[in-house]
Amino acid sequence: QKEVEQDPGPLSVPEGAIVSLNCTYSNSAFQYFMWYRQYSRKGPELLMYTYSSGNKEDGRFTAQVDKSSKYISLFIRDSQPSDSATYLCAMDPNSGYALNFGKGTSLLVTP
Amino acid sequence: DSGVTQTPKHLITATGQRVTLRCSPRSGDLSVYWYQQSLDQGLQFLIQYYNGEERAKGNILERFSAQQFPDLHSELNLSSLELGDSALYFCASSPDRATEAFFGQGTRLTVV
Repeated sequence: QKEVEQDPGPLSVPEGAIVSLNCTYSNSAFQYFMWYRQYSRKGPELLMYTYSSGNKEDGRFTAQVDKSSKYISLFIRDSQPSDSATYLCAMDPNSGYALNFGKGTSLLVTP
Repeated sequence: DSGVTQTPKHLITATGQRVTLRCSPRSGDLSVYWYQQSLDQGLQFLIQYYNGEERAKGNILERFSAQQFPDLHSELNLSSLELGDSALYFCASSPDRATEAFFGQGTRLTVV
């Protein structure tokens, strides 16, 4: 079993919908939680970064971490066609050395 | 543009061959990370260098090696290539921690 699990989708939503993306993990040592967006044929781009539990909001994006359930979420409000991409969660056990990535969820926002 | 430059963008080579992938980190970044992305495995950490020294090793095969030079650019060497090595190879850089890393655009390697 991988340390980080993520539903690959694809997830298709209409423009303006609220999108919920999720990851579960098994390693309780993870302290840092990140969400990356990856467009086709491009490198991953850091969207959100959260330390330990709680919520963090940045514009239309909200990241939630529930360490007791080993579950993290990314919510996208008022989704746009330009949000169509693969979203990867990533985690770091505070080693600072490497990130453990989920396999990514493919999102399609249709006009 | 993340500021991390990878060359070449695409590489097609035959089984058994050796290739070198190059990465120039963002200005001022001392850490360089190499990741492999395939459809079935996702993004897998290979190796990290910090200021010229190897700092951490992940799922890197013995046929693969890397180094970071005094000017901080890094190279990933892949030898005795197999069909299964076909993947996207990403370099990322950060001032220090992996949580601050920015990724390059990747090198797409196809082994035929």
